[in-house]
Amino acid sequence: AQSVTQLGSHVSVSEGALVLLRCNYSSSVPPYLFWYVQYPNQGLQLLLKYTTGATLVKGINGFEAEFKKSETSFHLTKPSAHMSDAAEYFCAVTGNSGGYQKVTFGTGTKLQVIP
Amino acid sequence: DAMVIQNPRYQVTQFGKPVTLSCSQTLNHNVMYWYQQKSSQAPKLLFHYYDKDFNNEADTPDNFQSRRPNTSFCFLDIRSPGLGDAAMYLCATSRRGGAGANVLTFGAGSRLTVL
Repeated sequence: AQSVTQLGSHVSVSEGALVLLRCNYSSSVPPYLFWYVQYPNQGLQLLLKYTTGATLVKGINGFEAEFKKSETSFHLTKPSAHMSDAAEYFCAVTGNSGGYQKVTFGTGTKLQVIP
Repeated sequence: DAMVIQNPRYQVTQFGKPVTLSCSQTLNHNVMYWYQQKSSQAPKLLFHYYDKDFNNEADTPDNFQSRRPNTSFCFLDIRSPGLGDAAMYLCATSRRGGAGANVLTFGAGSRLTVL
């Protein structure tokens, strides 16, 4: 069984400020972890993923996330927010045990960027 | 570019009038999914095809059906749409196994309005 908790359904940051979106997960098997971004009336786009290996993963648009097993966390960060980062962000988890594994999504965090 | 295409992007129907949404992919992925996403909520998995094998989620209403005539195409049929079925419907694909397993590639979605 697996689950994802995203802290904060809405986050507001000023343009140029640090973006930090929090994600905690639980999984009974080693996890694969993902962050997806969704712009209004669009599908979800993969930002970055952790599978195995390096725990700090870099994604598109300057985002990165760090897998911390001891904290069961996979927080998303970006050093400097841009207006175009305003969107909804979903953290997701699946099992790392081969074959088909259901992907479980968090409830999402809407990021507002204030000029 | 390899991608997932959903048609139509916007669909308006009347209460009880059947609707079919389509999804095509050029990624040659084995697994195709249909998700329902209501406003400000996480995507909810309705069902998926693992090659030709159909897998229904336990809580997916009978009103929702799917067809996958070949590897590239998948359809979502809503037999008698109710007001509660108004949502964004997202098609996604993934590889069957290996490093890309369970990494979802989404289409842009089909937004269904029920009058």
